[in-house]
Amino acid sequence: EAGVTQSPTHLIKTRGQQVTLRCSPISGHTSVYWYQQALGLGLQFLLWYDEGEERNRGNFPPRFSGRQFPNYSSELNVNALELEDSALYLCASSSSGLAGPIYNEQFFGPGTRLTVL
Amino acid sequence: AQSVTQPDIHITVSEGASLELRCNYSYGATPYLFWYVQSPGQGLQLLLKYFSGDTLVQGIKGFEAEFKRSQSSFNLRKPSVHWSDAAEYFCAVAFMEYGNKLVFGAGTILRVKS
Repeated sequence: EAGVTQSPTHLIKTRGQQVTLRCSPISGHTSVYWYQQALGLGLQFLLWYDEGEERNRGNFPPRFSGRQFPNYSSELNVNALELEDSALYLCASSSSGLAGPIYNEQFFGPGTRLTVL
Repeated sequence: AQSVTQPDIHITVSEGASLELRCNYSYGATPYLFWYVQSPGQGLQLLLKYFSGDTLVQGIKGFEAEFKRSQSSFNLRKPSVHWSDAAEYFCAVAFMEYGNKLVFGAGTILRVKS
């Protein structure tokens, strides 16, 4: 069974540009989570989607947005890139339900490494 | 806001030696506690979790963790470390009172020397 996949694996952008990151969950999972892993800061929760709806959002500015498609894949969009957006962006998926990340184990993808110059 | 502290950024142990990684959290509400491992180039994998009950929790790969409410701690242990355990370890905590999300510590990088 395929795990969580993310694309692209690496990305280099310049300040002010926009970027879209993609995530495909494990088959049968309907919840997708996005995290930012900046150097030395651990994982910061960005967004949680379930059944196409945004269920929870972390403390990030509105230029971080996303969506979930009917096939449960997801995109993370970051507008007006800043240098501090350079990080590893991790996507995770879990089985369905509003029980969310506490009660449903999250399975993580390998991440997309974003570098902003 | 709730927070998680992993005091050790790096730890080096010899293969076969015992291991303890520290994790402390803030706020006194009933926590949900997790340990994850991230191997190079891989996503995070759940090692174990504590919700309630027995404060000593067994996980995968021979790891265990003990919840101590009086110390607000959830330390991860392994009696004998293998070279393949070299990775970064993250402690995470959640409080339903603060929303359905996990708050992660900054991580501890484990190096294993032969």
